[in-house]
Amino acid sequence: EIVLTQSPGTLSLSPGERATLSCRASQSVSSSYLAWYQQKPGQAPRLLIYGASSRATGIPDRFSGSGSGTDFTLTINRLEPEDFAVYYCQQYGSSQFTFGPGTKVDIK
Amino acid sequence: QVQLQESGPGLVKPSETLSLTCTVSGDSISSYYWSWIRQPPGKGLEWIGHIYYSGSTNYNPSLKSRVTISTDTSRNQFSLKLNSVTDADTAVYHCARLRGPYCSGGSCYSHWYFDLWGRGTLVTVSS
Repeated sequence: EIVLTQSPGTLSLSPGERATLSCRASQSVSSSYLAWYQQKPGQAPRLLIYGASSRATGIPDRFSGSGSGTDFTLTINRLEPEDFAVYYCQQYGSSQFTFGPGTKVDIK
Repeated sequence: QVQLQESGPGLVKPSETLSLTCTVSGDSISSYYWSWIRQPPGKGLEWIGHIYYSGSTNYNPSLKSRVTISTDTSRNQFSLKLNSVTDADTAVYHCARLRGPYCSGGSCYSHWYFDLWGRGTLVTVSS
């Protein structure tokens, strides 16, 4: 099983700042199989990024994904009030899906 | 607009079977993959398994011995059964549409991601 580790656990920022979230895999992951989700309290997760860098339909361009191999990054430029949430990375490998533990982006 | 809605008992006794149904509206389940994912209170996400409309399944190895996912195309639903539950199975259970590899316009794409989710239903295991 590929284990995903996300850092930091919590990121405290102000609106307008840039958020940089890290997702590291215990072994190499195909970029095609790496996705990012946003979840707000009481809501279902929402797909942001798939294929490591492709934005899902309707996702603002302030969200971007990058990375390859074992290191992936989600960047949120110019944080908006609605961006404060928990973010999860997800991978598919060896016929299994795993998620990272999440990074909470909260208001400083 | 495609929507997914989970339904089923919110309370299950230990050692019994958890049964949930996901009703899909706005699209036919006779395409794509369909999945169950759970989230214990205050914790992260765990993939339970998925099913292709043809009936082929894939389960999380840690749950495989206890899980069955099936489809009912006539009702545009898919279901989850998890037997021999314990309090560790208390969680919000989400159904989701899973996008797998596909070809379109002469190009083929190899991705795996969950693009649509239900809001989830809390299932508590308690006597």
